[in-house]
Amino acid sequence: NAGVMQNPRHLVRRRGQEARLRCSPMKGHSHVYWYRQLPEEGLKFMVYLQKENIIDESGMPKERFSAEFPKEGPSILRIQQVVRGDSAAYFCASSPPSKNIQYFGAGTRLSVL
Amino acid sequence: DQQVKQNSPSLSVQEGRISILNCDYTNSMFDYFLWYKKYPAEGPTFLISISSIKDKNEDGRFTVFLNKSAKHLSLHIVPSQPGDSAVYFCAASVPGTASKLTFGTGTRLQVTL
Repeated sequence: NAGVMQNPRHLVRRRGQEARLRCSPMKGHSHVYWYRQLPEEGLKFMVYLQKENIIDESGMPKERFSAEFPKEGPSILRIQQVVRGDSAAYFCASSPPSKNIQYFGAGTRLSVL
Repeated sequence: DQQVKQNSPSLSVQEGRISILNCDYTNSMFDYFLWYKKYPAEGPTFLISISSIKDKNEDGRFTVFLNKSAKHLSLHIVPSQPGDSAVYFCAASVPGTASKLTFGTGTRLQVTL
């Protein structure tokens, strides 16, 4: 059973470009979460999704950030018009419907030049 | 507002000895607590969890203790091994089978020979 898969592992963008981060949850997991980790900090919740639904987006910045988890395919975290402050590690996690434990992917490290 | 706090940024322990990592929380609504281990350039790996109805949970070398009145939990690792060297994050969630995790800032554990 493959774990949570994230790609790309590393992403370099120039200011003003778009960044798309992908996450495929573990098999059988219908809940997906995105977290962001800035250097020397803990992980900060961004958004929680189920298939075709955003359940909790209380941690998402109001502008430039969006997330989706379509019926088919991976979950996507999209950052438009990136700025240097968006440079961070972005982690995706998934959980089965009946458990509180979240399992994390290896993360995508975004660098904005 | 840091609702989950890990006040020790680092800890050094000799191989074979006990490692004790501490975590405090302020939100009395938290009812489920988890510990994750993280190696550099990898995602967090789930270690052990505890529900607020318990005060202790044990899994092999890892034991988590919860003191609800003090809003404090701790992770004990006995005996410590060099492979335990990593950053340990405490996380908490509110009631519900699937909800966001609130993380502490982490404690870097180094197990020396």
